[in-house]
Amino acid sequence: EAGVVQSPRYKIIEKKQPVAFWCNPISGHNTLYWYRQNLGQGPELLIRYENEEAVDDSQLPKDRFSAERLKGVDSTLKIQPAELGDSAVYLCASSLVRGGNNSPLHFGNGTRLTVT
Amino acid sequence: AQKITQTQPGMFVQEKEAVTLDCTYDTSDPSYGLFWYKQPSSGEMIFLIYQGSYDQQNATEGRYSLNFQKARKSANLVISASQLGDSAMYFCAMSADSNYQLIWGAGTKLIIKP
Repeated sequence: EAGVVQSPRYKIIEKKQPVAFWCNPISGHNTLYWYRQNLGQGPELLIRYENEEAVDDSQLPKDRFSAERLKGVDSTLKIQPAELGDSAVYLCASSLVRGGNNSPLHFGNGTRLTVT
Repeated sequence: AQKITQTQPGMFVQEKEAVTLDCTYDTSDPSYGLFWYKQPSSGEMIFLIYQGSYDQQNATEGRYSLNFQKARKSANLVISASQLGDSAMYFCAMSADSNYQLIWGAGTKLIIKP
């Protein structure tokens, strides 16, 4: 089966510019996650979707970050405007059911964002 | 509060030797799951192995096994016959029934020496 697909792989932008990341989860996976990973740290959850519903966005900085998953399949994460501190790897993951005890998350290759 | 602790920031291991990566956890939930992920320098996060809190046997997947000691709240990853391609960051993570969210450790950087 095809894995989680993310694009772009790398993105370099100047601060205050907008940026968007795209994710296509594994077919049939209802749950989709966006994580941010800073260098040398574990991933930090930004938002989780069950189908098209955002069920946990408590960690999403809503003043500049937004996300959507309109048809319950692929998803877009946007930052506007970007700040220097947003430089990180943005990982998308999906799982068959609500991620948990016996439903591992499957990750994409990530988008490495550099804000200059 | 739920917490994952990985005490080894980095490890060097000779090729073909076995290696144990430590992970301890803290939760008051009786039902939980423990995961190990590998992250090579290319950046993708690769699922390796899963252990459920009620599983009687230690999980195994090829060269990976999980040394689950429930009373000690530890879930160490054992890699047998290490290979150069095993060089990567390794993350331990936990999910409990009361909170779907994965709690991640800080990771261990493993370097396999030829």
